[in-house]
Amino acid sequence: QKEVEQNSGPLSVPEGAIASLNCTYSDRGSQSFFWYRQYSGKSPELIMFIYSNGDKEDGRFTAQLNKASQYVSLLIRDSQPSDSATYLCAALKAAGNKLTFGGGTRVLVKP
Amino acid sequence: DADVTQTPRNRITKTGKRIMLECSQTKGHDRMYWYRQDPGLGLRLIYYSFDVKDINKGEISDGYSVSRQAQAKFSLSLESAIPNQTALYFCATSDPRQGSNQPQHFGDGTRLSIL
Repeated sequence: QKEVEQNSGPLSVPEGAIASLNCTYSDRGSQSFFWYRQYSGKSPELIMFIYSNGDKEDGRFTAQLNKASQYVSLLIRDSQPSDSATYLCAALKAAGNKLTFGGGTRVLVKP
Repeated sequence: DADVTQTPRNRITKTGKRIMLECSQTKGHDRMYWYRQDPGLGLRLIYYSFDVKDINKGEISDGYSVSRQAQAKFSLSLESAIPNQTALYFCATSDPRQGSNQPQHFGDGTRLSIL
């Protein structure tokens, strides 16, 4: 079992709709979680991070964390074609301070 | 100028050759990382360094070596390249002063093809 799991997609979303991305992790020692966006052939760029249970909002993005269920999600509201990319979920463990990445979810926003 | 610079951006070489990928940063971060990315596998950690005197193996270090020449420089070497090392390689940095919320900042990547 991978430490961080994501559905590879593609997740197809109409323009203006909400895209919902899910991520599960296996190590309960994970303490912070990061969402990165990666356009094809480009480097990952940080969208947001979350470390407390509940929701965290930043513009059109909302991250949700449920440590009991070991589940992190990212919602993208009012999806735009420019949101079409691969979204990487990553977990940071307290021990060693290393990020472990999921395989990424590819999102396609259709006009 | 980019905060995290990788050179070269693209490299095509032959099996058995020695290759060095270089990474330099102007962010003043102590921590530096090397990842490789293969389609569908996300980013996998090769080596990481928390300061100039600290080098640690990641999950896929076999066939690779690194050198931390200075706080700002971290190079990755493939001593004898093989075709399954064809991948996209990323260097990243982070600032431990940000504690458990320290994000990693990535360079633009090096696309390496080994024939």
